[in-house]
Amino acid sequence: DAGVIQSPRHEVTEMGQEVTLRCKPISGHDYLFWYRQTMMRGLELLIYFNNNVPIDDSGMPEDRFSAKMPNASFSTLKIQPSEPRDSAVYFCASSRQGSGNTIYFGEGSWLTVV
Amino acid sequence: QQQVKQSPQSLIVQKGGISIINCAYENTAFDYFPWYQQFPGKGPALLIAIRPDVSEKKEGRFTISFNKSAKQFSLHIMDSQPGDSATYFCAASTVRNAGNNRKLIWGLGTSLGVNP
Repeated sequence: DAGVIQSPRHEVTEMGQEVTLRCKPISGHDYLFWYRQTMMRGLELLIYFNNNVPIDDSGMPEDRFSAKMPNASFSTLKIQPSEPRDSAVYFCASSRQGSGNTIYFGEGSWLTVV
Repeated sequence: QQQVKQSPQSLIVQKGGISIINCAYENTAFDYFPWYQQFPGKGPALLIAIRPDVSEKKEGRFTISFNKSAKQFSLHIMDSQPGDSATYFCAASTVRNAGNNRKLIWGLGTSLGVNP
């Protein structure tokens, strides 16, 4: 069974550009999470969805960040405009109701904003 | 406000030794305590988890010890191997009566190095 699939794996962009990160959760999972990981702040939950509906977006740092989940098999995290301080690894993760709280992570999208 | 405090930040042990990582939490409503393991370039993966109705859970060389009164839990890695070198995260959440709340509160991680 395929795991959580993220793209791109690596992105280098210039400050001010729009960045779109993509995620395909594990089939059958009804929760989808977006995390950001940095050395200074560790793992931060940005937003999560249940059945494609955003449940908690309190971790989204500011209006430059937005996330959508148009269907059960696809989600995007968009940063517009990007800034150097957005440089981080962004993880998408998914889980299934009834599986406890086990969360399955993708391999991450490594974002560098110069 | 960090609700789960993890220590140490980094740890180096010799092959065959015991690695111990500690976490403390504040919210007494937490009832699910997982440990995740992350290798460089990969996402975290669930290693082992415990509920507060038991004081210890063992899976192979990995053991979680849980102290409800002290609000602390720890990961013990017995006979540590170079392949165990990774970053370890503790976390906590509520599962019972959670509704659709699936929010894990994470520690900041411990970088473990096991010397051959």
